[in-house]
Amino acid sequence: DAKTTQPTSMDCAEGRAANLPCNHSTISGNEYVYWYRQIHSQGPQYIIHGLKNNETNEMASLIITEDRKSSTLILPHATLRDTAVYYCIVRLLSNDYKLSFGAGTTVTVRA
Amino acid sequence: ETGVTQTPRHLVMGMTNKKSLKCEQHLGHNAMYWYKQSAKKPLELMFVYNFKEQTENNSVPSRFSPECPNSSHLFLHLHTLQPEDSALYLCASSQVTDNEQFFGPGTRLTVL
Repeated sequence: DAKTTQPTSMDCAEGRAANLPCNHSTISGNEYVYWYRQIHSQGPQYIIHGLKNNETNEMASLIITEDRKSSTLILPHATLRDTAVYYCIVRLLSNDYKLSFGAGTTVTVRA
Repeated sequence: ETGVTQTPRHLVMGMTNKKSLKCEQHLGHNAMYWYKQSAKKPLELMFVYNFKEQTENNSVPSRFSPECPNSSHLFLHLHTLQPEDSALYLCASSQVTDNEQFFGPGTRLTVL
């Protein structure tokens, strides 16, 4: 699976959009981009995933660049409850369903 | 009850004790996983079960023994653990062909 690079930490203001970048320059054509988050002392929570097109669900939007070498997770209106570690993961969609979690980005939403 | 549940939520044990962690999923999934998360380290995959068959053992020491009696239940039997085994142990489940994994809340294990 391709490796990802994320900033170690970032702050954002409550009520504003939070834009979380992820670089995956070695991603291959059949690898998906997944985002999970982990609130302190809880299990990780799936957020969204995509291959080429931008995706949106009730939690967030995922913007993938045309060359697929980077992506951005957007939390449209950050709340204090969005404070968590956010993990960007790229992997094949196959029967090998391993998730390789890196260090992620620690996002702190401030009032 | 819905989702993935784990019991107990907290466990303190001595190095000579034998204990078991339990995971139950109510999502109709066929694959279940054990992960370990030590302080300030990324999650580490330990075991994978697919249709009750173990398909992955990520070089885990034999003092950790998994058991999957059916597709809804997963156990992790613990014996003669070391203090460095203290960690958050997370269970997850997914459909075989669907890569969205659903995690339980974890068991916080402390080995004295």
